[in-house]
Amino acid sequence: DAKTTQPNSMESNEEEPVHLPCNHSTISGTDYIHWYRQLPSQGPEYVIHGLTSNVNNRMASLAIAEDRKSSTLILHRATLRDAAVYYCILPTGNQFYFGTGTSLTVIP
Amino acid sequence: DVKVTQSSRYLVKRTGEKVFLECVQDMDHENMFWYRQDPGLGLRLIYFSYDVKMKEKGDIPEGYSVSREKKERFSLILESASTNQTSMYLCASGTRDPYGELFFGEGSRLTVL
Repeated sequence: DAKTTQPNSMESNEEEPVHLPCNHSTISGTDYIHWYRQLPSQGPEYVIHGLTSNVNNRMASLAIAEDRKSSTLILHRATLRDAAVYYCILPTGNQFYFGTGTSLTVIP
Repeated sequence: DVKVTQSSRYLVKRTGEKVFLECVQDMDHENMFWYRQDPGLGLRLIYFSYDVKMKEKGDIPEGYSVSREKKERFSLILESASTNQTSMYLCASGTRDPYGELFFGEGSRLTVL
């Protein structure tokens, strides 16, 4: 069952910030929010995860709404290498269910 | 560097053939997963394993079986390949931490003629 909703596609200009939204209105109190991305012709790779507080790492930032029903992955300065499909996932137990994600196009 | 290695990037098989897809990880991970990826459908979980000789069905196990005789190796088996099993197959591994990250292989593109 799909527990997250993401736009099918988004575009961004190179070197501008990108905000990728995800809705997860049925999230439970213990569900972590994970983000992965899949570059062309590669397997998915981990980006970031969080529970309640906003999180930052070298790849991106994760902003989580106060009610936790939505989150936003922020790429601070999009590069052409960031063109990928981005997946927002709520792991259940040890199971990660990927949907179709958001296909990000970066325009030079 | 952590690594999940899938035995073949590209395979072409005929209908009815038995197909083995091998996956090996070098991170001593307990959990291993097989997904297939099709346009418009995203990644769908076929089978996963929490330990040696353990397996659990995912969303779409029909037509597939798996084998995990050693901790580092997880094999996906198509007993009698069919054209609707033409797809990209992705293997992943992870620790027992339910919130830990998954590491994926590069994928195996299978074409069944």
